[in-house]
Amino acid sequence: AQRVTQPEKLLSVFKGAPVELKCNYSYSGSPELFWYVQYSRQRLQLLLRHISRESIKGFTADLNKGETSFHLKKPFAQEEDSAMYYCALSRTRNQGGKLIFGQGTELSVKP
Amino acid sequence: KAGVTQTPRYLIKTRGQQVTLSCSPISGHRSVSWYQQTPGQGLQFLFEYFSETQRNKGNFPGRFSGRQFSNSRSEMNVSTLELGDSALYLCASSLLGDFNEQFFGPGTRLTVL
Repeated sequence: AQRVTQPEKLLSVFKGAPVELKCNYSYSGSPELFWYVQYSRQRLQLLLRHISRESIKGFTADLNKGETSFHLKKPFAQEEDSAMYYCALSRTRNQGGKLIFGQGTELSVKP
Repeated sequence: KAGVTQTPRYLIKTRGQQVTLSCSPISGHRSVSWYQQTPGQGLQFLFEYFSETQRNKGNFPGRFSGRQFSNSRSEMNVSTLELGDSALYLCASSLLGDFNEQFFGPGTRLTVL
């Protein structure tokens, strides 16, 4: 079965500290992984996807197929990073627009 | 360009009733996906429509149905409402589905009394 697990419901850090939001997945094929973010009173939006291999707002994520993980990292957290973060999995190509989401991690960055 | 719009934004219904929610995708997007968000279950995929055909379906009972029109607008219907159907229903559109970025609407908050 396809599943995405985000073990932390809440992660609280101080401004300037490194942050890592964990995401583990189970899927027998080769999935595509995404991080979506929801800022307060805003819509859910794409933060980054592993196929792009890019850094967005200082965040990076590396797909580790051996550990089936896709952790989101940022070396220096900012207060504006406070939001709800969702890790999501899409099945192999040509399987349409179905995303399987984790339960989400609320990131709180304190001044 | 205009984002994904959903109507209505809030709904209150009673058990046994049925409800229809509407989603207008971003112009040019052909894929529309629907998700249910609850505090207990999180975000769960309902179904996806592409070019007026249901392409993917989640694990929801048959009371949940949807359709897509030729202009890519989509509706979802829930019949015989149950208390557990209270949730935020999100729709998302993307160019072709697949690995394209999904753009989410603001959601429709459904409360079943």
